[in-house]
Amino acid sequence: SAVISQKPSRDICQRGTSLTIQCQVDSQVTMMFWYRQQPGQSLTLIATANQGSEATYESGFVIDKFPISRPNLTFSTLTVSNMSPEDSSIYLCSVAVTEAFFGQGTRLTVV
Amino acid sequence: AQSVTQLDSQVPVFEEAPVELRCNYSSSVSVYLFWYVQYPNQGLQLLLKYLSGSTLVKGINGFEAEFNKSQTSFHLRKPSVHISDTAEYFCAVSDYGGSQGNLIFGKGTKLSVKP
Repeated sequence: SAVISQKPSRDICQRGTSLTIQCQVDSQVTMMFWYRQQPGQSLTLIATANQGSEATYESGFVIDKFPISRPNLTFSTLTVSNMSPEDSSIYLCSVAVTEAFFGQGTRLTVV
Repeated sequence: AQSVTQLDSQVPVFEEAPVELRCNYSSSVSVYLFWYVQYPNQGLQLLLKYLSGSTLVKGINGFEAEFNKSQTSFHLRKPSVHISDTAEYFCAVSDYGGSQGNLIFGKGTKLSVKP
């Protein structure tokens, strides 16, 4: 199994600012995944982060808006840049070991 | 491309009644299927998964699901629900094999159990 700590759990931010979300795993994992869950919607994969290489972004998501760092095998960050109210969502970190495990999520509100 | 359809956005049911949450998928390759539950203000928890073998999969909290390849379905069932089962349930598919990451999720079904 894997235990994922995600911080912050929630935040309210001003439009135009940026927020960095941290994800810490209790074991080394090759791939980490970042998802977005917009209000009333399902989860959508933003990007896959491998240690030592650039993240791979899904269609509709770009590095300038969602830069990701993966400095080691247990940690990753996702930054939501130049935020607008449309970025208000829950952002979840995930790792796949024997199955996919998820962090508790970061509930972001942009005002 | 893979996709997942959860046919019901909300399912109200009385306590101790049976429930079925429907999930259909589309994929041109072999798939791995999952059901996750999300309790209010919490992350996702795996209920059960189908990777191969028996098409009837049993999970936690008394839930089970049946993989039906001909109907491309993976419906979730519980014979008798409790108030504590009130949550949102997500069906997901992956073709990532052993790593089981990179999931495609359905839109979710909100199960509301009433006393």
